[in-house]
Amino acid sequence: QKEVEQNSGPLSVPEGAIASLNCTYSDRVSQSFFWYRQYSGKSPELIMSIYSNGDKEDGRFTAQLNKASQYVSLLIRDSQPSDSATYLCAVNYGQNFVFGPGTRLSVLP
Amino acid sequence: AAGVIQSPRHLIKEKRETATLKCYPIPRHDTVYWYQQGPGQDPQFLISFYEKMQSDKGSIPDRFSAQQFSDYHSELNMSSLELGDSALYFCASSLRQRLGEQYFGPGTRLTVT
Repeated sequence: QKEVEQNSGPLSVPEGAIASLNCTYSDRVSQSFFWYRQYSGKSPELIMSIYSNGDKEDGRFTAQLNKASQYVSLLIRDSQPSDSATYLCAVNYGQNFVFGPGTRLSVLP
Repeated sequence: AAGVIQSPRHLIKEKRETATLKCYPIPRHDTVYWYQQGPGQDPQFLISFYEKMQSDKGSIPDRFSAQQFSDYHSELNMSSLELGDSALYFCASSLRQRLGEQYFGPGTRLTVT
């Protein structure tokens, strides 16, 4: 059983702080990793993809991948109230694609 | 840019009825996925199609079936509906070689009474 685990939260951070979201996965064969953002009642939206070890930055978002530790994280700098949402980690296992349970982030004004 | 289109957006059915959900993927995307998301849960993968052939199967009940047509649109058919089938149903599409980069439709909210 391929598993993707995340802390369900809620994770609360003050506006302007760095939000750190973490995800672990069970299969060392995994090659591709993704972060989706989902606002309540809306569909998931892809915000970051990462394929190799290290950091990948896109605006206020940084994805970090450590395959040896089977760990992927998402950092959100200068958090805004509009970042309040559920963040889903997703892992590609060959032709399979598995979502984690999501972490609910609340950015407090 | 064109996005994934789903219809209907809302659907109310009674127990034991049938429902058909439709999905129109982004043009040139060759892979379509269906997900079910219950309240407070993460999306659960149901089934996917690549070039109109079933590609992968997840936790889709035997009461559900799906297909992809020649114009690449897909339909999810749900029979003998149960109260527990009430959920948001998302369709997503992608290019096969970038299957993790999925673009989701707005979803169909199915309520079974």
